[in-house]
Amino acid sequence: AQSVTQLDSQVPVFEEAPVELRCNYSSSVSVYLFWYVQYPNQGLQLLLKYLSGSTLVKGINGFEAEFNKSQTSFHLRKPSVHISDTAEYFCAVSDRGRGGSYIPTFGRGTSLIVHP
Amino acid sequence: GAGVSQSPSNKVTEKGKDVELRCDPISGHTALYWYRQSLGQGLEFLIYFQGNSAPDKSGLPSDRFSAERTGGSVSTLTIQRTQQEDSAVYLCASSPGRGVYEQYFGPGTRLTVT
Repeated sequence: AQSVTQLDSQVPVFEEAPVELRCNYSSSVSVYLFWYVQYPNQGLQLLLKYLSGSTLVKGINGFEAEFNKSQTSFHLRKPSVHISDTAEYFCAVSDRGRGGSYIPTFGRGTSLIVHP
Repeated sequence: GAGVSQSPSNKVTEKGKDVELRCDPISGHTALYWYRQSLGQGLEFLIYFQGNSAPDKSGLPSDRFSAERTGGSVSTLTIQRTQQEDSAVYLCASSPGRGVYEQYFGPGTRLTVT
């Protein structure tokens, strides 16, 4: 079964500074990778996804992530954060498990806290 | 267009009572998922529906939990004889299910068992 590790439970950063949220997953032949954001009292919203092709993926709100197959990582980055980026971020991975149903496995989340 | 909706948004119940949580997926989405989110625990998969196939119930934590999806659309998650450890946010997500793998989440139902 797939497992997903988000190495930091909380990342504090000052406004306009760069940020990287780390995600590692267990090895698999073929994976699909996602980052979701959850604002307080809301459901999750897709930030970006990697299905195939270019390993650098750009998403909404200026975020990007890089798929690194050899390191089984999919780290999320933003060059300059805003106060409004304060939220919980989840990495998710799915593969052809469970009879090909593509049920994703989620990490435990990283709380990004942007200080003025 | 309309997103995934869930009702109620908050539910407080006494230990031992049964509860029903409802999810209305995006129209036309064939895949529907239920998750449980506890503080600091990430998302715990509960059950997955895909079209007319038999649901994947492998994530249900006990036989007190069940779910159904009527007409390939609305889904209801039922928890019988609720326990305090059932307190959590229950999230529903849907997906087009045709080569599109990202999920669209509802706002969740916060369940508190007293």
